[in-house]
This record gives sequence, C-alpha cells and structure tokens, in this order.
Amino acid sequence: NAGVTQTPKFQVLKTGQSMTLQCAQDMNHEYMSWYRQDPGMGLRLIHYSVGAGITDQGEVPNGYNVSRSTTEDFPLRLLSAAPSQTSVYFCASSRSGVSYNEQFFGPGTRLTVL
Amino acid sequence: AQKITQTQPGMFVQEKEAVTLDCTYDTSDQSYGLFWYKQPSSGEMIFLIYQGSYDEQNATEGRYSLNFQKARKSANLVISASQLGDSAMYFCAMSPTGANSKLTFGKGITLSVRP
Repeated sequence: NAGVTQTPKFQVLKTGQSMTLQCAQDMNHEYMSWYRQDPGMGLRLIHYSVGAGITDQGEVPNGYNVSRSTTEDFPLRLLSAAPSQTSVYFCASSRSGVSYNEQFFGPGTRLTVL
Repeated sequence: AQKITQTQPGMFVQEKEAVTLDCTYDTSDQSYGLFWYKQPSSGEMIFLIYQGSYDEQNATEGRYSLNFQKARKSANLVISASQLGDSAMYFCAMSPTGANSKLTFGKGITLSVRP
C-alpha cells in the first residue's frame, strides 16, 4: 500500500493563478480531509468528505474548492491564489464507523504564493 | 464547537527521563475522541495514541500513555524513557466520535530531548 499520496511536494504560484493539489489513497477509506498548517497555528480543517460525491466545509474553506468523484481521490483546488494561502497542506484519510479510526496523513504539499 | 489548548511553548527533557505534555480541551459533544500526533522536523504527521471519551482506562502505546481526566477536560501525553528521536512537535487533537474526518488540533508543543 502506498497509503496517502500528495502531489506536488512543493509549488510556487503567483497571485491570481489557479492550481489543484492532488491527493489519493489506496486503502479504500471513506473519509478524506484537507488541512492547512501555518506557523504557530497547528492544523486547520479546510474541507472534508465522508464518501464519494459528498463534501462539506471545515473551519477555513474560503478560497478552496473540492470534489470527490471517486473513493480514491480528493483534489483541492485554489481558484485564484492569494499570499494568505501560503502554507503546508496535508491530506488525510480514515475508515468510517462509530468507533475510533486513525487518520492517515499524506506527506504534505508546501505552497508559496508570491 | 471544539477547542484544544496547548500552552507550553517548548519543553526540554533529559534523555531517558519521562516528560508530560499538557493538553486541555473543550467540547459540547457527549462522545468524542482525543488524539496525539508527532511531527518531526521532516514534516510528516505520525499518529501516537488515541483515547475515547467513554474509555474507562487510560490509553497506552509502548512508551506513550495518555493521562485522561474527563472532569478536568485534560488529556496529557506522557512519554517515558525519552529518546533523542522524540525531539519533535507534538499536537493534541480531538474529533466527535464517528467523525474522524474532522479533527480539531491544538497549536502544538515543541519537545527537545537533551543527551
């Protein structure tokens, strides 16, 4: 199993450009999430999905779009990048269920917006 | 809404000694889970330990144990016999039970292990 994979590892954008951060998992997990990590802020939830075709907003969704057409993939789109979106982005996945299920994190994407 | 508070700015511990990292939380959910993650300088997020709000016993995983005091709303991580490789950032997090995709994180604590 590759686990959770994210591409690219690093990206530099200019203000106003758009891009898609890719996330894929091969564990057949129903739940997937996107977080951003800023210095001194911990990780904050951007968007999450509880299954294919179902997405919802987290704590900091503005400026980001997501879709979930398959169980495996959960891309994060920046429509018009802003310097405030400079951050490290983590994708995570977990199984569904009422009991505890560990979230598995990808290696992260470091994004810089100039 | 859920909130995690980690106020220790940085912690130092001598190799082979034990250290406690503090975490307090606030939630209106009756059933929830508490997590600790480790983030070394390489950047990946490593799961350490989980405690369910209705678990009667404190969770343990090898050298890690979670000191769960529900009435005080605290979930402190205890690392026994510290190793140099334990130097990292440590995050406390929580989610409603069954909503594992919605973790709320604290700001983290930096731990440095001295040889």
